Amino acid sequence: EPEVTQTPSHQVTQMGQEVILRCVPISNHLYFYWYRQILGQKVEFLVSFYNNEISEKSEIFDDQFSVERPDGSNFTLKIRSTKLEDSAMYFCASRRGEVGQYFGPGTRLTVT
Amino acid sequence: RKEVEQDPGPFNVPEGATVAFNCTYSNSASQSFFWYRQDCRKEPKLLMSVYSSGNEDGRFTAQLNRASQYISLLIRDSKLSDSATYLCVVNTGRRALTFGSGTRLQVQP
Repeated sequence: EPEVTQTPSHQVTQMGQEVILRCVPISNHLYFYWYRQILGQKVEFLVSFYNNEISEKSEIFDDQFSVERPDGSNFTLKIRSTKLEDSAMYFCASRRGEVGQYFGPGTRLTVT
Repeated sequence: RKEVEQDPGPFNVPEGATVAFNCTYSNSASQSFFWYRQDCRKEPKLLMSVYSSGNEDGRFTAQLNRASQYISLLIRDSKLSDSATYLCVVNTGRRALTFGSGTRLQVQP
């Protein structure tokens, strides 16, 4: 069964550093998403991406964040200058039709 | 008012029990509804979509009441492996999913 993959599984970085989180969505999916989940809290939407552009973003997704689909398979989330409060699980998700979004296993980001 | 509201639980039930979770949502323009399950420190996994006519998948039955903005999930014959957090999820048509905080279920032997 096809699945969304994410790398790395865990990233530790120092405050102020840039990080890139990588995702490979399911191959025939057309819509891509990033969500985050701070420990003990609910899953929160960050950004959606369709047809090579951002289709929607939340208030969380400020100028420190960017997304890119550099080739036909990868989908990346970049945080330019990490803050302590960026520590969270970051989930990538993809969707083809209306059935629902399928999530990757997540990247645990720890900012020290 | 929270966009998607769920009782956090935990619901502690014996194996074989029937358990029901409820959820309310605030945006009447919401268009799609889902139940996801999430195991500790894992990704949300799609359990089922929820339709106005109600739908069933094995031991799981989901119901949607648009007038009351209320969604339910019924699990029959609970198994130990059903222990997880159940997330009520709503799509308002903007395509982003809005998650509830989840209801924790612990099935005991």
